[in-house]
Amino acid sequence: DAGITQSPRHKVTETGTPVTLRCHQTENHRYMYWYRQDPGHGLRLIHYSYGVKDTDKGEVSDGYSVSRSKTEDFLLTLESATSSQTSVYFCATSGVTTNEKLFFGSGTQLSVL
Amino acid sequence: EDQVTQSPEALRLQEGESSSLNCSYTVSGLRGLFWYRQDPGKGPEFLFTLYSAGEEKEKERLKATLTKKESFLHITAPKPEDSATYLCAVGSYGGATNKLIFGTGTLLAVQP
Repeated sequence: DAGITQSPRHKVTETGTPVTLRCHQTENHRYMYWYRQDPGHGLRLIHYSYGVKDTDKGEVSDGYSVSRSKTEDFLLTLESATSSQTSVYFCATSGVTTNEKLFFGSGTQLSVL
Repeated sequence: EDQVTQSPEALRLQEGESSSLNCSYTVSGLRGLFWYRQDPGKGPEFLFTLYSAGEEKEKERLKATLTKKESFLHITAPKPEDSATYLCAVGSYGGATNKLIFGTGTLLAVQP
């Protein structure tokens, strides 16, 4: 299994504060993704990266930004957190030859009060 | 618009009672259909990829099948450890590379 570490695992923050979630992978996978998972909506793609400094938007990107300065690290930032961004966030990766098979981290539970 | 619908939302089985989960999809061109298992508090874990109608994959008590409109995950003689949420996802040629569309999942509970 791919080594994907997300931090923090849990976070409680207040509306209007910036929040950064971190994802670190040890598999040298090219593609990295941020998803959010909410009841009734399934997993929805926020942003993804297809290489260092190469990122693109997913279906629910408003209010989020990402950065990838190294192959192994992918950061998700909520510029000004809102209660609607309370969710479980998952990082995922996929390699070059099996780029459709996603490997997921254990998730970050974020609560915005 | 590409869509994935899973049914039922929840399923409760007795140990040994076989059943099937359904994943219906609408895509412009199927690039692949994926099944994942998700345990509480964890990320989804990959189970199978199916690429064309008629294809079947098996792993222990699980068997996934694919038609042009839907996929089934058959669970034979389930055990309590099979309890989890099962997610279906599709990738389409009409969508951007590596962007999968996920269903909302089926929560399976297997009682001893």
